[in-house]
Amino acid sequence: AQTVTQSQPEMSVQEAETVTLSCTYDTSESNYYLFWYKQPPSRQMILVIRQEAYKQQNATENRFSVNFQKAAKSFSLKISDSQLGDTAMYFCAFMMRSNYQLIWGAGTKLIIKP
Amino acid sequence: DTEVTQTPKHLVMGMTNKKSLKCEQHMGHRAMYWYKQKAKKPPELMFVYSYEKLSINESVPSRFSPECPNSSLLNLHLHALQPEDSALYLCASSQVTGGENTEAFFGQGTRLTVV
Repeated sequence: AQTVTQSQPEMSVQEAETVTLSCTYDTSESNYYLFWYKQPPSRQMILVIRQEAYKQQNATENRFSVNFQKAAKSFSLKISDSQLGDTAMYFCAFMMRSNYQLIWGAGTKLIIKP
Repeated sequence: DTEVTQTPKHLVMGMTNKKSLKCEQHMGHRAMYWYKQKAKKPPELMFVYSYEKLSINESVPSRFSPECPNSSLLNLHLHALQPEDSALYLCASSQVTGGENTEAFFGQGTRLTVV
């Protein structure tokens, strides 16, 4: 069975700083996706970034980038130049490409302070 | 259009009421999902429809009844709910290509309170 672990329940940084959220996962599968979703107080679950397991290059989306270490089963999210609007719950999630089920981490509450 | 639209945004219902949650997407996605989310927890999968057919039911009580009238619409019919069913209900959709699934896009959710 697949599992996703986020070891940081809560993090807090100053605006404009860089912050890294950790995620590890466990699977014996080879064909899968990894995602970071953001859920602000407005409660909509927003896709931040996705990584396909067969791609060695780390995904980036503007200020958001990942460090994907497939052998170590690690998938951390780096947020550069953090902004107040980045305050949210961040969930790491795993999905096999042949499946419909997202396996979620417990989430990390990120607070950006002015 | 990259939106998943859910209505209503808030719903308060008594334990004897019957109500429905609605979800709509126009992205041509052929998989649609219902999730239940309690505060400060990740979403829990309830149902998955693939090509308008129910493909996953995660042992959800029968007081929750899903319906997929067409490829763009997904309903969740509620009756005789319990206070512990109070939660945020999220709808999502995803593209299915060649038997493989891609990322899910979520609606804003319906905040349900059972009194």
